[in-house]
Amino acid sequence: DQQVKQNSPSLSVQEGRISILNCDYTNSMFDYFLWYKKYPAEGPTFLISISSIKDKNEDGRFTVFLNKSAKHLSLHIVPSQPGDSAVYFCAASERGSGGSNYKLTFGKGTLLTVNP
Amino acid sequence: GAGVSQSPSNKVTEKGKDVELRCDPISGHTALYWYRQSLGQGLEFLIYFQGNSAPDKSGLPSDRFSAERTGGSVSTLTIQRTQQEDSAVYLCASSLVSGRYGYTFGSGTRLTVV
Repeated sequence: DQQVKQNSPSLSVQEGRISILNCDYTNSMFDYFLWYKKYPAEGPTFLISISSIKDKNEDGRFTVFLNKSAKHLSLHIVPSQPGDSAVYFCAASERGSGGSNYKLTFGKGTLLTVNP
Repeated sequence: GAGVSQSPSNKVTEKGKDVELRCDPISGHTALYWYRQSLGQGLEFLIYFQGNSAPDKSGLPSDRFSAERTGGSVSTLTIQRTQQEDSAVYLCASSLVSGRYGYTFGSGTRLTVV
């Protein structure tokens, strides 16, 4: 069973417009959420995160929104740039007993293409 | 080193052979993680090392998989009697302290079992 779901395998947007990447989760024990960006032949790199005690976190062009009641989060990129073209992974961490919150559960990723 | 280094970057092996994948974490990082990404899937947790504590092996898919971390630094993931379903990108990450923050991933080893 997939606990973190990214239902859109791909997304294409025009440069300068907004990119919205979505993620749904099923595990109510998740209390920390992260977005990673991955270029081909490279490892994922951390982009932005949000704790479940917040509903929004912003870092420059990137904003993550969390809707706990809907178990949904989204990543907004404004304005989108061609260099943002990559695979974006949503990940979640569960508050763990005995300090096991280091495990991240990942979605399958969404390939974002930003066209010039 | 400056980043997490993994070797080899690509490995093609015959079904039934054993393979070893290596990870050099960032110097000083006490926590080390292995994940794998099979085709069309998200990253899947395999194993976690933290200092001298017993590793968390709960993600290893079968007893053909094992990993060790020597001297609190380099880690080796070994897959015995490889199967075609083991084909995936194996990613290593390290972090300064244990937890969900500040993972730095390596570029991965792409394993193909033929």
